[in-house]
Amino acid sequence: GAGVSQSPRYKVAKRGQDVALRCDPISGHVSLFWYQQALGQGPEFLTYFQNEAQLDKSGLPSDRFFAERPEGSVSTLKIQRTQQEDSAVYLCASSLILTRDRGKGTDTQYFGPGTRLTVL
Amino acid sequence: RKEVEQDPGPFNVPEGATVAFNCTYSNSASQSFFWYRQDCRKEPKLLMSVYSSGNEDGRFTAQLNRASQYISLLIRDSKLSDSATYLCVVNIWGGGADGLTFGKGTHLIIQP
Repeated sequence: GAGVSQSPRYKVAKRGQDVALRCDPISGHVSLFWYQQALGQGPEFLTYFQNEAQLDKSGLPSDRFFAERPEGSVSTLKIQRTQQEDSAVYLCASSLILTRDRGKGTDTQYFGPGTRLTVL
Repeated sequence: RKEVEQDPGPFNVPEGATVAFNCTYSNSASQSFFWYRQDCRKEPKLLMSVYSSGNEDGRFTAQLNRASQYISLLIRDSKLSDSATYLCVVNIWGGGADGLTFGKGTHLIIQP
């Protein structure tokens, strides 16, 4: 079946440009997560949606980062005025889980292939 | 101190050998535990969840020690295809911490 998809797969931006990264989660998955993975590091949590509600944005590194999921399915991560330190792979993950159902075996997160962002 | 710590390796292991690695986590509120596998330039994929009672999936065995706050992964009869980075992952719910917390990963190279 269809997994999580992300687009574009690669993005090169000049410093100061705005970028938008798209995530299509697995159909029916309630929860959607964004992670940032720098070279040689594990993924770092950025933000979390349950349906269209952004319940946690504690990992967003600055106010230049903004995420939305207006209809509870597709999500967009926007980075304004990109900086070189924003260069990383941005991973999207989705899961079935509802907050109240944690621990019932539905919290497995499935990752998309990521968008590799290079800021020159 | 990083919340999830792993030896980055690399572990160079001959094919057919048994290899084990551990990770430690600092937050005692951690409630779910996983091992993910990540191939070069690919996304992380769930290898297995880790339960207090320990669990086995074919050649892979995972153990959780809550008292000592560490998680282990054992791979028996290693195959060339096991070469990858293994990410130790914990999930801490509530308190605004909704995402998975990853270690840096342990790089495993199986040699013919």
